[in-house]
Amino acid sequence: DAKTTQPNSMESNEEEPVHLPCNHSTISGTDYIHWYRQLPSQGPEYVIHGLTSNVNNRMASLAIAEDRKSSTLILHRATLRDAAVYYCILRDVIDAGGTSYGKLTFGQGTILTVHP
Amino acid sequence: NAGVMQNPRHLVRRRGQEARLRCSPMKGHSHVYWYRQLPEEGLKFMVYLQKENIIDESGMPKERFSAEFPKEGPSILRIQQVVRGDSAAYFCASSPLRTGYGGNTIYFGEGSWLTVV
Repeated sequence: DAKTTQPNSMESNEEEPVHLPCNHSTISGTDYIHWYRQLPSQGPEYVIHGLTSNVNNRMASLAIAEDRKSSTLILHRATLRDAAVYYCILRDVIDAGGTSYGKLTFGQGTILTVHP
Repeated sequence: NAGVMQNPRHLVRRRGQEARLRCSPMKGHSHVYWYRQLPEEGLKFMVYLQKENIIDESGMPKERFSAEFPKEGPSILRIQQVVRGDSAAYFCASSPLRTGYGGNTIYFGEGSWLTVV
């Protein structure tokens, strides 16, 4: 499985932008970069994903380095509800018994604390 | 906009009993994944199923655990003869049909919290 490296924790103040980094130096050409977050006692929530180009949606932006060896999740204005564990995941396409599919393998993620 | 539905949300079982966790995927999704999250640990992949087929069960414990996704009805994760170490949150996820592709989105349910006493 391709691996990612994230800081264990980060802190931010409410209303300020947050940049969550992720290193994935062994990424392959077909690996998609996915971000999920998990609030306490809830299931993981999809945030955003991309392949090569930067991506924007209503939740966040994803900036992908030109060599694809790193990416940054950007929360434009942090709120208290954004406090969560953020996971950066390389979605592997693997072959299981003749069927290929995209597998999500979670790491430890980054614990984001947002201060009022 | 019904998401991935899991039930029960909380389940308490005595050691040696059976636990059955159910998962209804999002409408139109035919692929289901099960993950387990032990207390204070990360999410671990258990099994990936399509309708009536187990595609990848590389993360399933060798004994006592089984999963199915029948043609009709929800996916079931079954744990026989539960032990205290099975206490965890079990998350189901689903995705639409498109194999061999890493760019579609997997959506997770709210989880089933199993406590073994």
